[in-house]
Amino acid sequence: QVQLVESGGGLVKPGGSLRLSCAASGFTFSDYYMSWIRQAPGKGLEWVSYISSSNFTIYYADSVKGRFTISRDNAKNSLFLQMNSLRAEDTAVYYCARRHGDYWGQGTLVTVSS
Amino acid sequence: DIQMTQSPSSLSASVGDRVTITCRASQTISSYLNWFQQKPGKAPKLLIYAASSLQSGVPSRFVGSGSGTDFTLTISSLQPEDFATYYCQQSFSTPPAFGQGTKVEIK
Repeated sequence: QVQLVESGGGLVKPGGSLRLSCAASGFTFSDYYMSWIRQAPGKGLEWVSYISSSNFTIYYADSVKGRFTISRDNAKNSLFLQMNSLRAEDTAVYYCARRHGDYWGQGTLVTVSS
Repeated sequence: DIQMTQSPSSLSASVGDRVTITCRASQTISSYLNWFQQKPGKAPKLLIYAASSLQSGVPSRFVGSGSGTDFTLTISSLQPEDFATYYCQQSFSTPPAFGQGTKVEIK
């Protein structure tokens, strides 16, 4: 069965960095584009970024462009999100999702606070 | 960017009721519309894709319809486990925006 497991969240100070990881299993990872989607506490869903199966196409939400970098390692069935220059408004649960969301991980909480 | 607007923001209904949630896109998205269900503390779950196709394992009481700019999610007979927040999402263009959500409460 499809499994997506995120890790790497935690508490970080404003201006700091974090790297999120997502381990995929149960499907041919290299065949699918992958997304990061986030949800601030008590708020709705916000798409953050996606990357094509071959790394050829990458998109970012305007709110994270220039600060976040998505990447993947198809040999290791892994998706990553490097988050730099973090702000309080980046506080959210970050979900890894296959394509636009046919399968989701359980999420990892990122808290940006001094 | 395409904006997605859901209505209502919340509703309260009884078990067995027929419930309808609407989603409107700011421009045409053909049938590139997905519906998700999210329960408290859990990840969202895909219910409907391509406006009207039922995701595998989803009960048939969930029905999606519409095309162009106007879409509907109908729960034909509300069950206690359907207490959740429902989101629409367009996958026609980037960014794949979500609606603001509709919270369904059981009376």
